[in-house]
Amino acid sequence: EVQLVESGGGLVQPGGSLRLSCAASGFTFGSHWMSWVRQAPGKGLEWVANIKQDGSGKYYVDSVKGRFTVSRDNAKNSLYLQMNSLRAEDTAGYYCARGLNFGISAHSSMFDYWGQGTLVTVSS
Amino acid sequence: QSALTQPPSASGSPGQSVAISCTGTSSDVGGYNYVSWYQQHPGKAPKLMIFEVSKRPSGVPDRFSGSKSGNTASLTVSGLQAEDEADYYCSSYAGNNSVTFGGGTKLTVL
Repeated sequence: EVQLVESGGGLVQPGGSLRLSCAASGFTFGSHWMSWVRQAPGKGLEWVANIKQDGSGKYYVDSVKGRFTVSRDNAKNSLYLQMNSLRAEDTAGYYCARGLNFGISAHSSMFDYWGQGTLVTVSS
Repeated sequence: QSALTQPPSASGSPGQSVAISCTGTSSDVGGYNYVSWYQQHPGKAPKLMIFEVSKRPSGVPDRFSGSKSGNTASLTVSGLQAEDEADYYCSSYAGNNSVTFGGGTKLTVL
């Protein structure tokens, strides 16, 4: 059974840092693109970042470029999001999502499994 | 990286059909066949309902179908059931391995 379990969320002051983790199980982690998607309270989904299977490609939404860093450890089946210089507008639930593999294609933009999310609150 | 445009709400009676639109540009929806749709019940994680415009993952009822014309994609739910009441989000590949989501549509089963 595919499982994605996020951790590391919490309350942090503006300008602070936080590191989110996502523990994956039940599939060959290193074969899939992985993404972080966030959802502000009562709002819609927003893609934050994704990372290629071997970690050689990393892509971000403009609003987090230079502040967030996505990484992965395929030996530990884990995905990470290092968040620095946090702002109030970063307050959201952060989901880890698996990129869909279909046929011979490994997709970076379609997500077939999601974790339950971890809440990040940026407030003084 | 502008959000795709979805109607904020849609509704239908049990057994009816309802369509939800998702409008983007030639740089996202119109430029690629990588449109997907997600269902999200309150307090739950999103669930993939449609990928590559019109394909259904295993386990998704065939009451759910997707299509695209130009810069607008659509999700149609036929034979509405009470459990279909949820928020629905479209998303599209937007080039350079980026993704854009729609603002979401709250589907109410009357």
